[in-house]
Amino acid sequence: DIQMTQSPSSLSASVGDRVTITCRASQGFTNSVAWYQQKPGKIPNLLIYAASILHSGVSSRFRGSGSGTDFTLTINNLQPEDVATYYCQKYKSAPWTFGQGTKVEIK
Amino acid sequence: QEQLVESGGGVVHPGTSLRLSCAASGFKFNGYGMHWVRQAPGKGLEWVAFISYDGNKKNYGDSVEGRFTISRDDSKNTLDLQMNSLRVEDTALYYCVRDKVNFAMDVWGQGTTVTVSS
Repeated sequence: DIQMTQSPSSLSASVGDRVTITCRASQGFTNSVAWYQQKPGKIPNLLIYAASILHSGVSSRFRGSGSGTDFTLTINNLQPEDVATYYCQKYKSAPWTFGQGTKVEIK
Repeated sequence: QEQLVESGGGVVHPGTSLRLSCAASGFKFNGYGMHWVRQAPGKGLEWVAFISYDGNKKNYGDSVEGRFTISRDDSKNTLDLQMNSLRVEDTALYYCVRDKVNFAMDVWGQGTTVTVSS
């Protein structure tokens, strides 16, 4: 099975910063990678699918990129409302594996 | 609007069974595969089980294979998860989630809590 390893596990950045979260797959596969945002006490929400396509209604400050084994979520101009835990995920076939999560906080 | 509402959670003892249900509304239920995803307290997301739009394909995570069974009733727009031989480590918030194939998991329920404790 393909494992998804996220890094870092947590980060703290200032409002307005650019933040980068990476997700590395244990073996290469298609671009069926999604990113989810889970705000404290809330349900997860889909941000990006197919590695780089923004889900409907998601702020353009979020950007996904990557292929093969390395994928990245970038948050531009970090805002207080971006405080959340972010998860990458391999989807489209079993197992639908999630990364361990990256907790993003504001300095 | 598209909505998923889970029910059936509770506090149970190890070794017992529990059945979760999810009621779907606002979309054509029989056109979508469905998942159960869980989240242990303070932990990350763990995929549990998947059922295809027609019920012919089912997949399970390693930690629940052989103990949990996913099913659907398209006449009632419901998704179920039969959980047998429950363990303390099954304690989690269980989410019902819609699968949009090329678009990942796009609709999530609010979750139902399962606590397994002696």
